[in-house]
Amino acid sequence: DGGITQSPKYLFRKEGQNVTLSCEQNLNHDAMYWYRQDPGQGLRLIYYSQIVNDFQKGDIAEGYSVSREKKESFPLTVTSAQKNPTAFYLCAISDSGNEKLFFGSGTQLSVL
Amino acid sequence: GENVEQHPSTLSVQEGDSAVIKCTYSDSASNYFPWYKQELGKGPQLIIDIRSNVGEKKDQRIAVTLNKTAKHFSLHITETQPEDSAVYFCAAYKGNTPLVFGKGTRLSVIA
Repeated sequence: DGGITQSPKYLFRKEGQNVTLSCEQNLNHDAMYWYRQDPGQGLRLIYYSQIVNDFQKGDIAEGYSVSREKKESFPLTVTSAQKNPTAFYLCAISDSGNEKLFFGSGTQLSVL
Repeated sequence: GENVEQHPSTLSVQEGDSAVIKCTYSDSASNYFPWYKQELGKGPQLIIDIRSNVGEKKDQRIAVTLNKTAKHFSLHITETQPEDSAVYFCAAYKGNTPLVFGKGTRLSVIA
């Protein structure tokens, strides 16, 4: 994973509960991303941030929230408004521009 | 916006045979095309990429070709081995916007 850490590896959410997925990096890269992966759906962009204190919605932002208070951290909160949260969540980082992405090892979120 | 189509969604080959995965993109402004390999339970890893000013690039058993006129690019894996079994994603990039990914191809190499 080369300096990008996602935690936890597995996470369970109860109905109506918010949960937060952690993504930390020590490569000093400017841009960070969150993707959701479902079987047969590829990688769908949830949110991304190109600079501290700024972030943009991706293709499927509804039911999710993020913050970018520090360059090295980009946590993702899956809110109770996300009715189908079960998926594999991937965090990624990139240096200049948005070209080469480096992915974390992912968090599998399941609903109890 | 950009749209990337990837085919096939699943591919099975015999060990030692070649595998080809094809992608098409819609935006002629896209100029960078990476390929990622994802093993089970892990995040995708970049395996090869190509820029729009190059028609072909090779790295040992893998190669990528790009046809800008037709707006398609392909991944070629020769002499496949069981460890090549994974999900492969293509993507397209056009400058200061996030990569757009295809939906992935699950490659199975049968020993």
